[in-house]
Amino acid sequence: GEDVEQSLFLSVREGDSSVINCTYTDSSSTYLYWYKQEPGAGLQLLTYIFSNMDMKQDQRLTVLLNKKDKHLSLRIADTQTGDSAIYFCAVIQGGKLIFGQGTELSVKP
Amino acid sequence: EAEVAQSPRYKITEKSQAVAFWCDPISGHATLYWYRQILGQGPELLVQFQDESVVDDSQLPKDRFSAERLKGVDSTLKIQPAELGDSAMYLCASSDEGIHTEAFFGQGTRLTVV
Repeated sequence: GEDVEQSLFLSVREGDSSVINCTYTDSSSTYLYWYKQEPGAGLQLLTYIFSNMDMKQDQRLTVLLNKKDKHLSLRIADTQTGDSAIYFCAVIQGGKLIFGQGTELSVKP
Repeated sequence: EAEVAQSPRYKITEKSQAVAFWCDPISGHATLYWYRQILGQGPELLVQFQDESVVDDSQLPKDRFSAERLKGVDSTLKIQPAELGDSAMYLCASSDEGIHTEAFFGQGTRLTVV
């Protein structure tokens, strides 16, 4: 199976919270990342978390890490239409940055 | 603000032709990566350089793809001959440490092979 898995689509209303989930297989991953990609653009690093942390908060973004279940999530509070994009989870495995297939977030006004 | 520069932004080429992409990383970044992103998928690492040396090219289709970073600064990725299945976004990224602590991506080159 895939090393890093994400659900493909998420649709929310403006002002609601969005939660994007990711599961991974390599328990030795030391850094775990969330990237954002807008249409036709490259990837923008949003935030990352070290494997010895459970949670990291950065303004509207909250990252939760459950190492036991190998589950990573990104919560976006007060989601805005400008948050519409594809969000990629990525982990370091064997020295390589491995990406999930991306979750397309659609924010409806 | 420093950024990774890539050119061209878009490229259309006929199959069996040669095509090349260029990347200029952020100044001072020793590590440079080339990724391929097929539509609807996440990026896949093709090759990783540390200065001018290749440290990982295990996923690079070496029969048709080549990459170089002669002076340890900018880099070129070449495909010859191009095939229809090579249509994708080619992303370049750089970081000042090989562990991707902060890998910065360029805008990418969108390749269409017809």
